[in-house]
Amino acid sequence: KNEVEQSPQNLTAQEGEFITINCSYSVGISALHWLQQHPGGGIVSLFMLSSGKKKHGRLIATINIQEKHSSLHITASHPRDSAVYICAVRVNGSQGNLIFGKGTKLSVKP
Amino acid sequence: KAGVTQTPRYLIKTRGQQVTLSCSPISGHRSVSWYQQTPGQGLQFLFEYFSETQRNKGNFPGRFSGRQFSNSRSEMNVSTLELGDSALYLCASSWERSQETQYFGPGTRLLVL
Repeated sequence: KNEVEQSPQNLTAQEGEFITINCSYSVGISALHWLQQHPGGGIVSLFMLSSGKKKHGRLIATINIQEKHSSLHITASHPRDSAVYICAVRVNGSQGNLIFGKGTKLSVKP
Repeated sequence: KAGVTQTPRYLIKTRGQQVTLSCSPISGHRSVSWYQQTPGQGLQFLFEYFSETQRNKGNFPGRFSGRQFSNSRSEMNVSTLELGDSALYLCASSWERSQETQYFGPGTRLLVL
């Protein structure tokens, strides 16, 4: 069983829809990252969370440490949001390594 | 401020050869981490360097090695290449520690034939 599980694996939405991507993890963590990867490979770090909620534009990330769960929400989705969204956790006590989920491939249709 | 740069962007090698990839972090960043991405395994941590010292290493064989120079630029080397080493290799930099927000380079796509 992977230590970081994301759902769904694939998601197709219509422009304007509200989107939720989920991440569950089974280890104790010091932080959780949400990353966005566009075709071609470039990765952008969207959020780093250790508690609560963060918002940036149309993106909202939440984390529930007790339930070991995080969600990434996209409001008013747009075709340019089409990308792979990856959840990654930093395990407690580890000095550097991130453990990654397999990613959620989002396609937003106009 | 320039972003993280990686060279080369694309590389084709044959089994048994060795390869060196380069990463230049954002100016002022002292932590550089390397990751391997494959369709089967996804993203996996390779190692992290800070102030020319390897701070942490992922679960990869000794054929994978790296180093960091005094200007924070980093290189990773893979010796005796195997077909399974075909992957996108990404580096990421941050100010002090990789626990902070990391800034990723565009990656080097390596194909081993």
